[in-house]
Amino acid sequence: KNQVEQSPQSLIILEGKNCTLQCNYTVSPFSNLRWYKQDTGRGPVSLTIMTFSENTKSNGRYTATLDADTKQSSLHITASQLSDSASYICVVSFGGGFKTIFGAGTRLFVKA
Amino acid sequence: DAMVIQNPRYQVTQFGKPVTLSCSQTLNHNVMYWYQQKSSQAPKLLFHYYDKDFNNEADTPDNFQSRRPNTSFCFLDIRSPGLGDAAMYLCATSRDGRGGIDEQFFGPGTRLTVL
Repeated sequence: KNQVEQSPQSLIILEGKNCTLQCNYTVSPFSNLRWYKQDTGRGPVSLTIMTFSENTKSNGRYTATLDADTKQSSLHITASQLSDSASYICVVSFGGGFKTIFGAGTRLFVKA
Repeated sequence: DAMVIQNPRYQVTQFGKPVTLSCSQTLNHNVMYWYQQKSSQAPKLLFHYYDKDFNNEADTPDNFQSRRPNTSFCFLDIRSPGLGDAAMYLCATSRDGRGGIDEQFFGPGTRLTVL
């Protein structure tokens, strides 16, 4: 069964700290994996996108990793800011086409 | 430099009263998608257009329809909204939709309330 699972479901950290969010998937054939940030009441905004051959990609303080063998991805946030408080959604595309599966997201709260 | 625009941002309708949500894009992308997102859940794809070709997801209720009169605009019509249709509706676009790397760009969403 094609699935995308994210952990943790929610996370609270202090401003300035680092954190890592996880995404495990079971899809075939894999096309790409994307991480989105979704602020409350807004549409998702793309952070990174990786294909099978890429194992790391950075976007400012956000660094995504991909292990295609174990079908795992992580999103590492460095020196968190209050504005990082949002939901982070892992999206996996497969089947070489329009098929995508969204993870349920990790809700991150950054506290002062 | 708005790229995917959704109107209105907030829509209130009555139970059973038809409602139309609008999406427009300035990216000239071939593919436009409509998603439904309920509170604390992942977005759920309702359907997408590849150019003029309409592709409905198998579990999308008949109550939801869509129109794409041209490349730039796509509409979501809810013929008889029920209380369970209250949600955020997200429009997204992508250049091609196929291949290994094709990013979806999302609009800000329309929050639908059904009274």
